[in-house]
Amino acid sequence: GESVGLHLPTLSVQEGDNSIINCAYSNSASDYFIWYKQESGKGPQFIIDIRSNMDKRQGQRVTVLLNKTVKHLSLQIAATQPGDSAVYFCAENPNLTGNQFYFGTGTSLTVIP
Amino acid sequence: DAGITQSPRHKVTETGTPVTLRCHQTENHRYMYWYRQDPGHGLRLIHYSYGVKDTDKGEVSDGYSVSRSKTEDFLLTLESATSSQTSVYFCAISRDRNTGELFFGEGSRLTVL
Repeated sequence: GESVGLHLPTLSVQEGDNSIINCAYSNSASDYFIWYKQESGKGPQFIIDIRSNMDKRQGQRVTVLLNKTVKHLSLQIAATQPGDSAVYFCAENPNLTGNQFYFGTGTSLTVIP
Repeated sequence: DAGITQSPRHKVTETGTPVTLRCHQTENHRYMYWYRQDPGHGLRLIHYSYGVKDTDKGEVSDGYSVSRSKTEDFLLTLESATSSQTSVYFCAISRDRNTGELFFGEGSRLTVL
């Protein structure tokens, strides 16, 4: 199966600081990546996606960077807020025409007020 | 929030008993998915459906079956529950197969004793 992992299982940041969550993937054929946020007791919520023909994509307060050379992607959250406290995980899809998304185990982000 | 309802939200059962989890959507999305989430594994795809009566296996389909007789309902059945199937089960929907933007339900926590 696919291997999608995270460098750090937990991350604590001060409110107002920027957060960076990292993700490594193993399948060089993967061409589509997604970030999800999961709050305690809830289902995952889509944040942002990026396709392999891009290096960077920005959303509202979030930026995803993709480095295909080292098979790494990161999620940057600007001006982190208490409501950003959650588990964040990345997912990869090695085939755009398929429905198989392989999810990582997640990084728990805690925002310190 | 996307109109996805999972039932039951919590269930405790005994080994060997059949269990059916229901996912109901009001979004008229074509694609529906069942995932399980376990510590250390992230989300893993069990089965998915790309239309009424059209289903396919995911990464961890052994011991599970699904049915979709109506667009809005996707049922996950454990014919004979085992302790290894203790997990949190999430249903998700998407508009098309080429997007990673899945909308997840709130989850169903199943405990098999």
